Amino acid sequence: EAGVTQFPSHSVIEKGQTVTLRCDPISGHDNLYWYRRVMGKEIKFLLHFVKESKQDESGMPNNRFLAERTGGTYSTLKVQPAELEDSGVYFCASSQEYRGPIYEQYFGPGTRLTVT
Amino acid sequence: DAKTTQPNSMESNEEEPVHLPCNHSTISGTDYIHWYRQLPSQGPEYVIHGLTSNVNNRMASLAIAEDRKSSTLILHRATLRDAAVYYCILRVAPYAGGTSYGKLTFGQGTILTVHP
Repeated sequence: EAGVTQFPSHSVIEKGQTVTLRCDPISGHDNLYWYRRVMGKEIKFLLHFVKESKQDESGMPNNRFLAERTGGTYSTLKVQPAELEDSGVYFCASSQEYRGPIYEQYFGPGTRLTVT
Repeated sequence: DAKTTQPNSMESNEEEPVHLPCNHSTISGTDYIHWYRQLPSQGPEYVIHGLTSNVNNRMASLAIAEDRKSSTLILHRATLRDAAVYYCILRVAPYAGGTSYGKLTFGQGTILTVHP
């Protein structure tokens, strides 16, 4: 069974440009999460999708970040315009649970974003 | 979010048991105790979780204090592959209500070094 995949693995862009990160969850997982670790800081939650709906977007830093999950399958996270402080590693995770037993979150390898 | 406190780092020798402590004195009755680890250059990986009783799985054991204010992750025989950052996380149960049950709040974690 394929795990969570993320694309690209690394992206280098200039300040002011736009970048779109993609996450493909494990097949059949209704829950999809985005996290990020900026330099020297802890891993922070960004948002949680249940199918195509945003369950919790309390961690989104500002309106330069837009997450979508059309059709409840893959998700994209767009940063527009990118700022220097957006540099870091963006992780995606997926899980089966939906208000039932606790299931673990499976994480992807991350996308390293460098804004210059 | 309920907080956890872990030592910054610990060391172990290969083949020996490792006990990783976590304090969570402000835990609520509906918080599950989760442990994740992050190996170098990878996304976080689920290890184990529990509510009140001790738990065992193929990776580790989780010992939970009777008052639930602390817990210990036990690796029975450390291997070099177990060298990672270990995170103790309190996670709101889905049945507790609200929208934030999916969120994992990562702290600094414990850096485990395993010596050959």
